[in-house]
Amino acid sequence: DVQMTQSPSNLAASPGESVSINCKASKSISKYLAWYQQKPGKPNKLLIYSGSTLQSGTPSRFSGSGSGTDFTLTIRNLEPEDFGLYYCQQHNEYPLTFGSGTKLEIK
Amino acid sequence: EAQLVESGGGLVQPGSSLKVSCVASGFTFSSYVMHWFRQAPESGIEWLAYITPDSSNTHYAEAVKGRFTISRDNAKNTVDMQLSSLRSEDTATYFCGREMTITAVFEYWGQGVMVTVSS
Repeated sequence: DVQMTQSPSNLAASPGESVSINCKASKSISKYLAWYQQKPGKPNKLLIYSGSTLQSGTPSRFSGSGSGTDFTLTIRNLEPEDFGLYYCQQHNEYPLTFGSGTKLEIK
Repeated sequence: EAQLVESGGGLVQPGSSLKVSCVASGFTFSSYVMHWFRQAPESGIEWLAYITPDSSNTHYAEAVKGRFTISRDNAKNTVDMQLSSLRSEDTATYFCGREMTITAVFEYWGQGVMVTVSS
């Protein structure tokens, strides 16, 4: 199975700042990495897939980069609604696997 | 707008069985691969299984193969997961998800249903 190592586990930032979340795969997954946002009581939200393709409705302040084993989610000009949990998921092969999550909190 | 709503969770004893269901609305259910996931308390998301639109193919994570069974009813817009031989480590919130066509990413998720396995 492809192990996904996500970092940091916790992140505190203020509105208007920029943050980056990293995801490292245990082997190459080409470009096939997705990012989701999770908030209590709401369905998970797909933000980005195939490394850098923004899902329809994802604000342009979100961007994804990387290929192979190393990927990054960057959020610029943080908005209050961006705080929550973020997960990466490799979609290159089965079993599909997720990172352990990053909790983005307001500083 | 597509919507997925799970049901059927609860408290069960180790070794018992339970069926969780997901009803879909707002899209042509019979056209999409559907998946089940789970998330243990304070833990990450684990993919469990998928089923193709015509039920011809299913695939399971090793952790649940032989104990869990995914099925669907396109007439009722439902996808089910039968959970058997339940263990304490199966305690989790169970989610269904709709796969975005041939991508293995998930544009729609349910809010989940809690299953607690405890004596």
